[in-house]
Amino acid sequence: GENVEQHPSTLSVQEGDSAVIKCTYSDSASNYFPWYKQELGKGPQLIIDIRSNVGEKKDQRIAVTLNKTAKHFSLHITETQPEDSAVYFCAASGGSYIPTFGRGTSLIVHP
Amino acid sequence: GAGVSQSPSNKVTEKGKDVELRCDPISGHTALYWYRQSLGQGLEFLIYFQGNSAPDKSGLPSDRFSAERTGGSVSTLTIQRTQQEDSAVYLCASFLDANTGELFFGEGSRLTVL
Repeated sequence: GENVEQHPSTLSVQEGDSAVIKCTYSDSASNYFPWYKQELGKGPQLIIDIRSNVGEKKDQRIAVTLNKTAKHFSLHITETQPEDSAVYFCAASGGSYIPTFGRGTSLIVHP
Repeated sequence: GAGVSQSPSNKVTEKGKDVELRCDPISGHTALYWYRQSLGQGLEFLIYFQGNSAPDKSGLPSDRFSAERTGGSVSTLTIQRTQQEDSAVYLCASFLDANTGELFFGEGSRLTVL
């Protein structure tokens, strides 16, 4: 089955800095890579996703890049703000429609 | 409702008791998932329902765990003879279709087994 590794487990940055979270996957058949943000006491919420037919996608301050050859994808957050503090999960899925999630990254943005 | 609703939000039980967790998905969403989130862990897949097809139970950790989905809508996750290692947040998500790919999660049911 699919295996998703996510790093780092904790990331601490100063407000205004950039943050990068990286994930690798094992199953070359995976073709959909979403990123979810989970705030304290809430369920995860989709913030951005990318499909295997594109290499990069951007939405305001967040962007995701995908390298299919190396089987890794990354989340980039620029100009971080305190409200970006949360746990971020990457995931990968293919034809089974059952996403496999990484272990999560706790992002702390210091004002 | 507007989103995925889960109940109870918190459940404390004694080891050996049975518990039932309920999920009410977004109306019209044909697929429903259960995931488990343990402290410091990621989201562990438990079970997946899609329409009238047989559920994918490949993630259930033991035969103490079972789930059903009645009428293609509400789902109940049942844990029998609970153990301390069952303590976790149980998350339900619903899914519209492969075109969007997005899972809509509820806020979860936090289970504590004493």
